[in-house]
Amino acid sequence: NAGVMQNPRHLVRRRGQEARLRCSPMKGHSHVYWYRQLPEEGLKFMVYLQKENIIDESGMPKERFSAEFPKEGPSILRIQQVVRGDSAAYFCASSPGLGGNTEAFFGQGTRLTVV
Amino acid sequence: GENVEQHPSTLSVQEGDSAVIKCTYSDSASNYFPWYKQELGKRPQLIIDIRSNVGEKKDQRIAVTLNKTAKHFSLHITETQPEDSAVYFCAASPKTSYDKVIFGPGTSLSVIP
Repeated sequence: NAGVMQNPRHLVRRRGQEARLRCSPMKGHSHVYWYRQLPEEGLKFMVYLQKENIIDESGMPKERFSAEFPKEGPSILRIQQVVRGDSAAYFCASSPGLGGNTEAFFGQGTRLTVV
Repeated sequence: GENVEQHPSTLSVQEGDSAVIKCTYSDSASNYFPWYKQELGKRPQLIIDIRSNVGEKKDQRIAVTLNKTAKHFSLHITETQPEDSAVYFCAASPKTSYDKVIFGPGTSLSVIP
């Protein structure tokens, strides 16, 4: 089991460009969670998705940010028209979604730098 | 929604001493409380968790306690070693949110050899 895979590991974008971050959950996991970690800060919940459904997006900024988890392929976190304040580490986690709270496994993260 | 607070924000201990990190949560429906360790530049990794039907759990040098009435929980690390140096995050999750967790702001632990 390869674990939660995120790519790219590092991403540099100029202000105004789009950033696309990918997350492939662990095999057998149907639930994906995205978190953002600003430099020297904690992990902030952004969005929780199941296949083809957004379950909870209470932590997503209202503009420029979107997420999807299609039937086939990885989950995508998309940031349009990036600004310097978007520079952060973005972590994806996955879980089997069996209910009753199980461990969510984290990927290595994508470090986004906006220049 | 859930809000998790964590203290202290930084903690320095001598190797061999104990370290204690304390957290409080706001949502009385939360019933799952994991603790994650994050080394510099790496992913958060679960080190121990506790559910609301138990008050204490221990795994070698690490123990967690939970007081549901007071809505606080703590991490205890005994006989600290330099490799324990990292940022530690407590978290809380209601059963209904599956495995979505809300994290505390973190505690940076330094173990001085």
